[in-house]
Amino acid sequence: QKEVEQNSGPLSVPEGAIASLNCTYSDRGSQSFFWYRQYSGKSPELIMFIYSNGDKEDGRFTAQLNKASQYVSLLIRDSQPSDSATYLCARSPGRFGAGTRLTVKP
Amino acid sequence: EPEVTQTPSHQVTQMGQEVILRCVPISNHLYFYWYRQILGQKVEFLVSFYNNEISEKSEIFDDQFSVERPDGSNFTLKIRSTKLEDSAMYFCASSLDRGSYGYTFGSGTRLTVV
Repeated sequence: QKEVEQNSGPLSVPEGAIASLNCTYSDRGSQSFFWYRQYSGKSPELIMFIYSNGDKEDGRFTAQLNKASQYVSLLIRDSQPSDSATYLCARSPGRFGAGTRLTVKP
Repeated sequence: EPEVTQTPSHQVTQMGQEVILRCVPISNHLYFYWYRQILGQKVEFLVSFYNNEISEKSEIFDDQFSVERPDGSNFTLKIRSTKLEDSAMYFCASSLDRGSYGYTFGSGTRLTVV
């Protein structure tokens, strides 16, 4: 049973657009959720965490959590080519989704 | 900014040999982890370690694997009798608490078994 599922993509958006990344999870007991960014050949880098229902904003990034629907999302506003990476959804403790590869085209 | 340090960055070993991957977690962190990522695949949890003992391990972490905190700073992953399918990037991570606020990852050790 997969614990954290993501659309593997790839997802391609033009520069300046909003990128929307989605994730579902199966364990209703999960408390905290995370979005990591992983550039090719590099280690995961924490972008945001969220543990309360609703939205959490940090700069161009907004994480959304809906525990009733077991759904987590990440919105990236004003996408930049430097945002091109694989985005990993994870729950605590440390279970990762397969990741969604995002490409932002100039 | 504090970081998790892993050595070596790349290790090549012959099938059947033992390897030890080393990590220095962030100094005030209390929880330590090892993850594996086979090329092109997802990040897989191996083991978590707290208070000098394993707190959780996955089905991947079988008798071939062991972890140790030999002193106050290092955290090691030992793989006995390596197999070709052990070739992967191994990431060490640490967290101040049980990961409620996420983990800090090291840059990884690429293990190649030939």
